[in-house]
This record gives sequence, C-alpha cells and structure tokens, in this order.
Amino acid sequence: GAVVSQHPSRVICKSGTSVKIECRSLDFQATTMFWYRQFPKKSLMLMATSNEGSKATYEQGVEKDKFLINHASLTLSTLTVTSAHPEDSSFYICSARDIRGRTEAFFGQGTRLTVV
Amino acid sequence: KQEVTQIPAALSVPEGENLVLNCSFTDSAIYNLQWFRQDPGKGLTSLLLIQSSQREQTSGRLNASLDKSSGRSTLYIAASQPGDSATYLCAVREPQGAQKLVFGQGTRLTINP
Repeated sequence: GAVVSQHPSRVICKSGTSVKIECRSLDFQATTMFWYRQFPKKSLMLMATSNEGSKATYEQGVEKDKFLINHASLTLSTLTVTSAHPEDSSFYICSARDIRGRTEAFFGQGTRLTVV
Repeated sequence: KQEVTQIPAALSVPEGENLVLNCSFTDSAIYNLQWFRQDPGKGLTSLLLIQSSQREQTSGRLNASLDKSSGRSTLYIAASQPGDSATYLCAVREPQGAQKLVFGQGTRLTINP
C-alpha cells in the first residue's frame, strides 16, 4: 500500500503559539488530502479537504482562520493550528488520495497535539 | 446526509472465538466501503476495501461483506487472537464531489488470552 507520513507524531506547545503539522505522500502524488480530528474514544471528524494549488474546503463549524491548510505540492499538505488553546488539544490525522485515482484511502500515523 | 453506525461500541471475547462487527449506513449511494484498524494513539491501517459493485472481500482471517441495498456491512474475524485487540472503524466513501469518507464511531475490540 501507499505510504503517508505525518510529522510530528507528538507536539506540546504553549497557549497562544502556532503549530504546523505536515502530511506527505511518500511514494505517490496526491491531488487531494483530507484532515481529520479525533477526540478521545471518538471517531474521526473531517475538518477540511485540501486540493493541490487551491484553497481548502472546510467542513461546517471548522474555523478556517484557526486551522490554516496549505497544499503547496502534490506530495505535501500542511495544517497550522494558529493561536492554539487547550481545547485544540486533540489527535489530528491526514489522509491522501492518489492522483491515479486509486480509491483506497491512505492515512498518516497521526499527530497528538497537547496545548498547555 | 450520510450517517454510519457501528454496533457494538465495545466487544470483549476470549481468544480463539470467531466474531462479527457490524456497520450500517443510511444512504446506499456509496462509492466504496473500507474497514480500518486503529491501535491506541496511532493512525489508521486499512484492512479491507469493498467497491460498491462487490459483495465481499477477504484477507487472511478477515472477511468483509457488503449489502448496499440494505445499507449494511459486516467484518468477520476468524480465530481471534490477542493481537487483534484494537478499534475497528468502517467508513463509506461518498460517490460525488470530493468523495469524502464518512466514518462510524468504531468498535473497541478486546481479545482476552
């Protein structure tokens, strides 16, 4: 299967600072990447869909100014949590779709964000 | 709006048993359905992918079925092992637009030695 690498796997930051999470497709090109948030013992909540070279599409209720998404190339999308607060602490996971149209979803290993 | 439900939310069985996890979805118009495994604090590992035109897929001790018309899928695990303990998530892919995945809430499976 294809490999999606997410970095960092864990990050602790202070309230008010910004944190950037990277999602890379290592052995394929991804026109579309998806960012999810997962609360403890809950399922994945889609936050936004990012397409290479265009603005991300955010789900209802997700603040686009707080969660900045940049999909600058076919192998890299970034999620920046701006002015982080403790309630932003969560597990963030990205997923990438192969440009060749493979319909299987490939996921990164997730990032545990803790805001103190 | 598509909704995915998984039953049970948690399941604990002795090692060696065969078991079935259930997934239901409200809109039968799906592109495909995928079962994932998630270990605590980790990402998702894809187990099986069933296209909308297929009825089942098998991989080792795992067998997934799909009944699109009734909006149901099952994941059958044969001869369960302690290493199978994890949360199992099913997700359906929407057929249109961005083809987003809609996830169920998962079943936390514990296999007792």
